[in-house]
Amino acid sequence: SQKIEQNSEALNIQEGKTATLTCNYTNYSPAYLQWYRQDPGRGPVFLLLIRENEKEKRKERLKVTFDTTLKQSLFHITASQPADSATYLCALLEGTGRRALTFGSGTRLQVQP
Amino acid sequence: DARVTQTPRHKVTEMGQEVTMRCQPILGHNTVFWYRQTMMQGLELLAYFRNRAPLDDSGMPKDRFSAEMPDATLATLKIQPSEPRDSAVYFCASGLVVGGIYEQYFGPGTRLTVT
Repeated sequence: SQKIEQNSEALNIQEGKTATLTCNYTNYSPAYLQWYRQDPGRGPVFLLLIRENEKEKRKERLKVTFDTTLKQSLFHITASQPADSATYLCALLEGTGRRALTFGSGTRLQVQP
Repeated sequence: DARVTQTPRHKVTEMGQEVTMRCQPILGHNTVFWYRQTMMQGLELLAYFRNRAPLDDSGMPKDRFSAEMPDATLATLKIQPSEPRDSAVYFCASGLVVGGIYEQYFGPGTRLTVT
C-alpha cells in the first residue's frame, strides 16, 4: 500500500541549531514533492517544491533534498529560531494517475530559546 | 494580499443536521481542493475541481457529502446528514496549475463539531 511517513514524535532543538525533518514514502513515483508549514489553528502554508530530477533546493534558511532511490526527502532549517516552531508537512504528487497532492501527517518542531 | 476565505470558521451542529461550508478561492486560480484534517487521519483530500469541473471526489463519502462550484468565486462542501465522526477541520485550498505544477494556498479552515 502507499504510505508517506513523517516522524510523529515532536522534534525539540535548541535555537541556532539545524533542524532536520524526514519524509519517507512507499509505493509512490512522485513527480515532485512539497513542504508546508502549519501553525496551530491555521491552514498549511507552502514553503518549497522539489522536482524528481532535482537533488537539492534552497530558500533562505531552508534546504530540501530529494533522493528517489532512498524514497526520502529531508527538510533542513539552519540557524533555527523559536519562530520556526510549527508542524511541517510533506506532500507529493504522483507522476501518473491521480493529479492531486497526498500529504504526510507532519512533524512538530519545537525550537527552544 | 490574495487569500482563500472560508465560512463559517466554526460550526457546532447536532447529528442529522445539514452543514454547508463555503470557500472563495484566490481570483485567477483554476484548481480548488477540499481537505479534512483530524488528529488520527491527518490531512485527507476529499475532492478537487479544475476550471470548476469536478476531477476527483473519491475521498468523499458519497452518500452524505457533496461538493460543487456554482461559479469561479465559490466552492461549497455540504454534509447531509451530519454525523459525529464528521467532526474535523475542513480546509479549502486553491492553486494555479502551470506546466503540471502548482502550489496550494489554504484557507483558514472550518472547525466542525457534530454532537
